[in-house]
Amino acid sequence: GAVVSQHPSWVICKSGTSVKIECRSLDFQATTMFWYRQFPKQSLMLMATSNEGSKATYEQGVEKDKFLINHASLTLSTLTVTSAHPEDSSFYICSARVEEQYFGPGTRLTVT
Amino acid sequence: GENVEQHPSTLSVQEGDSAVIKCTYSDSASNYFPWYKQELGKGPQLIIDIRSNVGEKKDQRIAVTLNKTAKHFSLHITETQPEDSAVYFCAASTGSSNTGKLIFGQGTTLQVKP
Repeated sequence: GAVVSQHPSWVICKSGTSVKIECRSLDFQATTMFWYRQFPKQSLMLMATSNEGSKATYEQGVEKDKFLINHASLTLSTLTVTSAHPEDSSFYICSARVEEQYFGPGTRLTVT
Repeated sequence: GENVEQHPSTLSVQEGDSAVIKCTYSDSASNYFPWYKQELGKGPQLIIDIRSNVGEKKDQRIAVTLNKTAKHFSLHITETQPEDSAVYFCAASTGSSNTGKLIFGQGTTLQVKP
């Protein structure tokens, strides 16, 4: 199957700083990638749809100015959490879809 | 919009027994139904999927059935093994194959006792 990678796998940052998470499709091109957020023992919540060469589409209730998404190429999408606060601590997962949707391994963000 | 309900939330079976997880969806336009397995601290892994033009699909010990009329689909795992222990998510999607977004169920924690 298709492989999606994320970097970093975990990150700790101080409150008020920004953090960038990268999502790469390693063996295929993806015009569309998705960003999810998952709290402990909960389901995946779709945050936004990342479209190569255009603006991301955010789900209702997700602050676009706080969660900046850039899809600069067919294999790379980035999520930047700006001015992070402890409540932003979560597991962030990206995915890319060819016929099926494949997920990255996730990034554990802890804001202190 | 689409809503996916998944049951049960937890399921404990003895090794070798079968496990069944059920999901219902609300949007009759949904046409793609994948199942994912998620181990602790990892991203979801696609284990099987089914499209709306098919009623059943099987891959070794795993099978999925779809009832479009009733708008529900189920995951069946036979001859369960301890390594099957994980959280399983169902999902539903509409739209085109590479842009349609997935709506996930709440997840089922499966425990297989050796």
